Amino acid sequence: SAVISQKPSRDICQRGTSLTIQCQVDSQVTMMFWYRQQPGQSLTLIATANQGSEATYESGFVIDKFPISRPNLTFSTLTVSNMSPEDSSIYLCSVSDKFNNEQFFGPGTRLTVL
Amino acid sequence: AQSVAQPEDQVNVAEGNPLTVKCTYSVSGNPYLFWYVQYPNRGLQFLLKYITGDNLVKGSYGFEAEFNKSQTSFHLKKPSALVSDSALYFCAVRDMSLDNFNKFYFGSGTKLNVKP
Repeated sequence: SAVISQKPSRDICQRGTSLTIQCQVDSQVTMMFWYRQQPGQSLTLIATANQGSEATYESGFVIDKFPISRPNLTFSTLTVSNMSPEDSSIYLCSVSDKFNNEQFFGPGTRLTVL
Repeated sequence: AQSVAQPEDQVNVAEGNPLTVKCTYSVSGNPYLFWYVQYPNRGLQFLLKYITGDNLVKGSYGFEAEFNKSQTSFHLKKPSALVSDSALYFCAVRDMSLDNFNKFYFGSGTKLNVKP
């Protein structure tokens, strides 16, 4: 299975600022995903990060608010822009490739917006 | 559309007793089903999956799950619970349609409490 790291592991931010979360994988993967999870709740898919092209966003999520980069097959970033307290959540990166049916998850980034 | 349901928000069981965490699914086509576990302040860890083959699937940490097509269920089980099994468990289904290929849909999660 892939080993996935995320930076930062947690952060406390002020309203109106932006935070960029990094996701690094130890091997090349086909697909990378970004999820949001309220503590103790289920996961909501934000977008699929596509290598070399624009991310594919789910309903309710837009590029201006959650810009995503994926410059290569092992790395992606998610930016939470112009943050408000409602953005306080856990943000999870996950990956899958053509050899596995399952997704593997990073440890998550716990964001608190004051 | 694909979906999974976990009817129990919480399951309480005594250590040493068998445990079951329930999941039902709704899919078009063949189901690709998964169980994940999340410990406090951690990401999700893959436990097991059903793609095809035997209806009883064995996974990590002594867990197993039974695929039941007629009941559209994929319940997670363990013969003897440990206190360390206490965590949040998610059932998921993978979308195999061309429009949403490889998207996962997660259940609402079930908190398992194993008491000593």
